[in-house]
Amino acid sequence: GESVGLHLPTLSVQEGDNSIINCAYSNSASDYFIWYKQESGKGPQFIIDIRSNMDKRQGQRVTVLLNKTVKHLSLQIAATQPGDSAVYFCAENFSGNTPLVFGKGTRLSVIA
Amino acid sequence: EAGVAQSPRYKIIEKRQSVAFWCNPISGHATLYWYQQILGQGPKLLIQFQNNGVVDDSQLPKDRFSAERLKGVDSTLKIQPAKLEDSAVYLCASSLVGQGLHFGNGTRLTVT
Repeated sequence: GESVGLHLPTLSVQEGDNSIINCAYSNSASDYFIWYKQESGKGPQFIIDIRSNMDKRQGQRVTVLLNKTVKHLSLQIAATQPGDSAVYFCAENFSGNTPLVFGKGTRLSVIA
Repeated sequence: EAGVAQSPRYKIIEKRQSVAFWCNPISGHATLYWYQQILGQGPKLLIQFQNNGVVDDSQLPKDRFSAERLKGVDSTLKIQPAKLEDSAVYLCASSLVGQGLHFGNGTRLTVT
C-alpha cells in the first residue's frame, strides 16, 4: 500500500549546525505535505507545510524542499538549537480533505 | 486561541475493562480526528468526523472501538473491552476543512 517513510530513524547534530531530515513518499498523487515536531509527552506540532505546486517553502529557521521527481521531502533546520530536539514526522495527504498519513519519525538530538 | 483539549492525560486499566477518552477541538474546526500512536511509531488514523458525521472509520476496530461526536463539537472515543495491544497514546486533532491538523497532547493508555 501507499506509505510515507523516513530514511533515518535518528539524527544527532551539534548545536548551531544545520539539520536535514529526509522523507520519502510513495504516492505520486499526494499533493499536500506537512512536517510535524513531537516533543516527549506532547502531541505533534505543525511546523511547515507545502503543496505539490511548489518545490520550496521557507519559515522561521525551517525550510521544506519537495522533489516530486524522486518523491522526496526534506526539512532543513538552520542553526539547530537544543529546543529543536524532538521526533519529526512527515505526513502526506492524497487529496484535499483525506486524512494525513504519517511516517515513522526521525529523532533529532541536539548536542550542546 | 485555545488548543485541542483532551482528558484524561493518563489512564491505566486491566485488559477486558472499558475506557473512554474525551476531546474538545479548537473552536470553529469542523473536522475532528482520533489517532492512535503506538510507542516508536507515527500516529495512525482511527476515525475522522466532519461536523457530527463520520468521514472515514475504515481503520477503526469496530468490534471494540467506538466514537461519537453528537453535537459536532466534543467527541468521545471508547474501547470496550480493552486488549493489551491497545496500549498507546490516543491523540485527538482538529482542523479547518482542507487545512493542517492541530493536535492535543493525547491520552496515554496502559492496559495491563
